[in-house]
Amino acid sequence: KAGVTQTPRYLIKTRGQQVTLSCSPISGHRSVSWYQQTPGQGLQFLFEYFSETQRNKGNFPGRFSGRQFSNSRSEMNVSTLELGDSALYLCASSLSSAQYFGPGTRLLVL
Amino acid sequence: QQQVKQSPQSLIVQKGGISIINCAYENTAFDYFPWYQQFPGKGPALLIAIRPDVSEKKEGRFTISFNKSAKQFSLHIMDSQPGDSATYFCAASGTYNTDKLIFGTGTRLQVFP
Repeated sequence: KAGVTQTPRYLIKTRGQQVTLSCSPISGHRSVSWYQQTPGQGLQFLFEYFSETQRNKGNFPGRFSGRQFSNSRSEMNVSTLELGDSALYLCASSLSSAQYFGPGTRLLVL
Repeated sequence: QQQVKQSPQSLIVQKGGISIINCAYENTAFDYFPWYQQFPGKGPALLIAIRPDVSEKKEGRFTISFNKSAKQFSLHIMDSQPGDSATYFCAASGTYNTDKLIFGTGTRLQVFP
């Protein structure tokens, strides 16, 4: 089975812009979660989607949003980018408890 | 109460030795405890996971020890190899939030030949 795929892998944006990241889960997995990884804050949960509905949300501002499509693919959007949004954004898919991560999208905000 | 505390921050082990990483949690609602391995430039890879109904789980050279009363769990890597050099994260999630993993701060393991 193919693993979790994320696109793009690298992205450079400037402050104030917005960005959309994409995630394709492992075939058959209906749950998709997003995490932000930074050297200072570590791995932090953003949100989780199941069957196109947001089931869980972390402590991030409303500039961070997401959605899930009927084929379980997910996107996350960050509006009005700030320098502190520079991070590795990871997507994970799961069937039961085990979560499998993609390679991440490295976002640099200048 | 949502935190998972991980130690040590870094660990240097000689090839063939045992690497031990410890984690502690406060929230008694946590009931799923996975460990992840992450290499530079890659996403975290699930290594092994445990639930509180068992005190130990072994998969190959990797063993999780779980102490429910102390709210602690640890990863033991037996016969450590240079290829094990990576960052290791413990995590925890609760019964009704199984997809919301709370991660420890990570341990950078270096195994020298």
